[in-house]
Amino acid sequence: AQSVTQLGSHVSVSEGALVLLRCNYSSSVPPYLFWYVQYPNQGLQLLLKYTSAATLVKGINGFEAEFKKSETSFHLTKPSAHMSDAAEYFCAVSPSGSARQLTFGSGTQLTVLP
Amino acid sequence: GAGVSQSPSNKVTEKGKDVELRCDPISGHTALYWYRQRLGQGLEFLIYFQGNSAPDKSGLPSDRFSAERTGESVSTLTIQRTQQEDSAVYLCASSLKLSLNADTQYFGPGTRLTVL
Repeated sequence: AQSVTQLGSHVSVSEGALVLLRCNYSSSVPPYLFWYVQYPNQGLQLLLKYTSAATLVKGINGFEAEFKKSETSFHLTKPSAHMSDAAEYFCAVSPSGSARQLTFGSGTQLTVLP
Repeated sequence: GAGVSQSPSNKVTEKGKDVELRCDPISGHTALYWYRQRLGQGLEFLIYFQGNSAPDKSGLPSDRFSAERTGESVSTLTIQRTQQEDSAVYLCASSLKLSLNADTQYFGPGTRLTVL
C-alpha cells in the first residue's frame, strides 16, 4: 500500500522567490515518485519523475525534486518563481515495477504574487 | 500528435440518470487509466486497461460504475443511476505500455460531471 501527503493545500510566494512544495510518501516497496502540474482548465502535465536512478531529479520549467529515503520525502523546488508557475501541483507515487496505478496527494495550489 | 482527448468536457445530469464518458488515448498507447478528482481532493484511481483487458477493477467505487475499451483505442466509463456524490472531474490518462520503468501517463483535460 502507498500514500502521499502534501503539506499545505495553498502556498503563496513572491515572484523571484524560492518555491518549495512538500511531499511525503509511504510505500511498502521502493517507490516511483512523480510531480504533476495542472494549469487552470488544462489536463495534468508531468513535471518530473524519480525511478531509482539519481536522487536529484530535474524536470521541466526549472523545477527539480530530491528523493530522500531517510525522510520519505520528495519535495519540489524552484529557485525563482515566475508568474506562469501559478497552478496546482500534485505529488504521486506508484510501486516500483508497476506503472499501473498512481496514488496522488491532495494537491497544493501555488500562487505567485507580483 | 494529438494528446488524450475526453468528451464531453462538461456534463450536467439529474440524479438517477445514466452517463457515459469517453476517452480517446494517444495513438499507439496500449495502457489507459481512469481517475476521479473530487473538489478539493487529489486524484482517485478507478481502473486501468492493458489493451482491452481490465485486470484490476477494485478501484471502481460501486457496481454502478463500469468501463470498457475497444482494442487499444477508445474507452468509455459508464455511471448508472448517478448520485450526487458522483459529481467530480473524471480524468483519463494513457501510457505507451505497462512497463517496469514507470512509463509516463499523459492526461486528458477531464470531464466535469455535475449530478443535480
